[in-house]
Amino acid sequence: SYVLTQPPSMSVAPGQPARIPCGGDDIGSKSVHWYQQRPGQAPVLVVYHDVDRPSGIPDRFSGSKSGSTATLTISGVEAGDEADYYCHVWDSSADQVFGGGTRLTVL
Amino acid sequence: QVQLAQSGPEVKRPGASVKVSCKTSGYTFVHYDLHWVRQAPGQGLEWMGWMNPKRADTGHAQKFQGRVIMTRDTSTGTAYMELRNMTSDDTAFYYCARETRGHFDHWGQGTLVTVSS
Repeated sequence: SYVLTQPPSMSVAPGQPARIPCGGDDIGSKSVHWYQQRPGQAPVLVVYHDVDRPSGIPDRFSGSKSGSTATLTISGVEAGDEADYYCHVWDSSADQVFGGGTRLTVL
Repeated sequence: QVQLAQSGPEVKRPGASVKVSCKTSGYTFVHYDLHWVRQAPGQGLEWMGWMNPKRADTGHAQKFQGRVIMTRDTSTGTAYMELRNMTSDDTAFYYCARETRGHFDHWGQGTLVTVSS
């Protein structure tokens, strides 16, 4: 099976950047998507196809990939960004795969 | 606008089945695959399976083999996910999500299913 690895938690001060990593074998060949899930709410797509942003998502959210890691960057974190963030790919052996999620705390 | 409206919370006994509905609107139902994702309390997202509403083709994660059935009603634009022989480990929020070119761009609000004796 295919595994995506994320740190369980991360803390960032307001106004500072948050960089949330997502590691996986051969992730460079896969299309990575990112979701934000605020407490008690359904997930919301914030980045798709590695770097694209849906309409309505602030340009503070951006995606990138380097080597075996994809990264969701939130530049200038705000209190409203406090949430769980999940990466997601499709893999030929496991179909849809989610990372374990990273809880972002805004200090 | 695109909306996925799910059925209400359910409480079931161990060994029972549950059928969750996902009524879509704001787009052509048969043009997009639908997926089911669940989330146990305090846990992460777990993909369960998918359905092509046009052909009624389905696929699912291996761990749900023999227990999950996905169907649809094209006349109402509604998708259904039935999970059989449930245990307490199946207590979770269940979400439907629309797929567009590999990513899940719209999600239902979630349905809480509680399995308890």
